[in-house]
Amino acid sequence: GENVEQHPSTLSVQEGDSAVIKCTYSDSASNYFPWYKQELGKRPQLIIDIRSNVGEKKDQRIAVTLNKTAKHFSLHITETQPEDSAVYFCAPRNRDDKIIFGKGTRLHILP
Amino acid sequence: NAGVTQTPKFRVLKTGQSMTLLCAQDMNHEYMYWYRQDPGMGLRLIHYSVGEGTTAKGEVPDGYNVSRLKKQNFLLGLESAAPSQTSVYFCASIPGGLQETQYFGPGTRLLVL
Repeated sequence: GENVEQHPSTLSVQEGDSAVIKCTYSDSASNYFPWYKQELGKRPQLIIDIRSNVGEKKDQRIAVTLNKTAKHFSLHITETQPEDSAVYFCAPRNRDDKIIFGKGTRLHILP
Repeated sequence: NAGVTQTPKFRVLKTGQSMTLLCAQDMNHEYMYWYRQDPGMGLRLIHYSVGEGTTAKGEVPDGYNVSRLKKQNFLLGLESAAPSQTSVYFCASIPGGLQETQYFGPGTRLLVL
């Protein structure tokens, strides 16, 4: 079956430093790779996504990189700020439109 | 547009009772999904639908049934609720075509005693 793994499960970084979260998937036919941010008590919200025909996408302090050969994609957050503290999920879309979420990464921004 | 709405927002059930959760979207989205999220955990896919009249199983379908009789509604049923089904239930929808972002509803908090 489909397998989506996300690492690390918890990440603490000093304010202003960078954070990187990696997502590994098993379906080689997956073609859409989003990252969601979930704050406590709220619904997940899309922060950035990438499609299989692109290797990297950037939106201000946030970037996503994709390695289709190795079947993984990563979320990069630079110049981290207190409001970046949240849980982040990857959710690649597979060939059957089934969307499995990674188990999440709890990001703590330390003052 | 109201976006994705979920009814009810909160419900308490006794073990063995049944109930139906309603997810509605007014954006003519093609795909709809039901997830559950236990405290401090990730989202797990229960069932999903790729169009009106279709349903498919997700990661954790046991104990749940779904129906998509109308394109705008996706119903999640619990025939005989168990304490293990205490969770927050999120519905999501996707427009279709080249638009692939999932739009989430606000969630339904379910407590089974």
